[in-house]
Amino acid sequence: AQSVTQPDIHITVSEGASLELRCNYSYGATPYLFWYVQSPGQGLQLLLKYFSGDTLVQGIKGFEAEFKRSQSSFNLRKPSVHWSDAAEYFCAVGMEYGNKLVFGAGTILRVKS
Amino acid sequence: DAEITQSPRHKITETGRQVTLACHQTWNHNNMFWYRQDLGHGLRLIHYSYGVQDTNKGEVSDGYSVSRSNTEDLPLTLESAASSQTSVYFCASSVSLPRGTGELFFGEGSRLTVL
Repeated sequence: AQSVTQPDIHITVSEGASLELRCNYSYGATPYLFWYVQSPGQGLQLLLKYFSGDTLVQGIKGFEAEFKRSQSSFNLRKPSVHWSDAAEYFCAVGMEYGNKLVFGAGTILRVKS
Repeated sequence: DAEITQSPRHKITETGRQVTLACHQTWNHNNMFWYRQDLGHGLRLIHYSYGVQDTNKGEVSDGYSVSRSNTEDLPLTLESAASSQTSVYFCASSVSLPRGTGELFFGEGSRLTVL
């Protein structure tokens, strides 16, 4: 069965420091991979997605992610974190042409000044 | 602007009562989904629809039902609410690849408490 693992439940980084959020997936076919962000009390917003092609994808708010097929990973990175990046981040894998997303449990990012 | 709206945003009910959560989107998207969000579980798929009159069960569909009589709406019904259904519910819509991007557009959520 398809699954997504986000090993870190909470991460705390200092403002201005770099960030990497980990995501591993299990899916037999070509994965459609997504990162979403959720601010408190809000719905989810798409940060970036990977369907094919260049394995390093750029997203909004200065985020990027790299697809590594050999490691079944799709880690999210940002070179310099801002206090406004504090939120919960979800990795997801899409089945059926990208539909029917399976989500990871999420990683809560806290930014300290 | 096109959007997806959920109502009510907050609901408190009692065990055994029937509850319906509404979801309405104005993007004319074929695909609509209901997820529930619980701490430690992320989002789990309850039901989904790929078009009018089409409905499918997700991984946590027991105790829930949906119907799709038009493109815009996918109401979620809890036939007999249980305390285990206390959660935050998210509706989402999308357009499938290759015509669309596969991106899910989410509503703001409905917080349901079952006492």
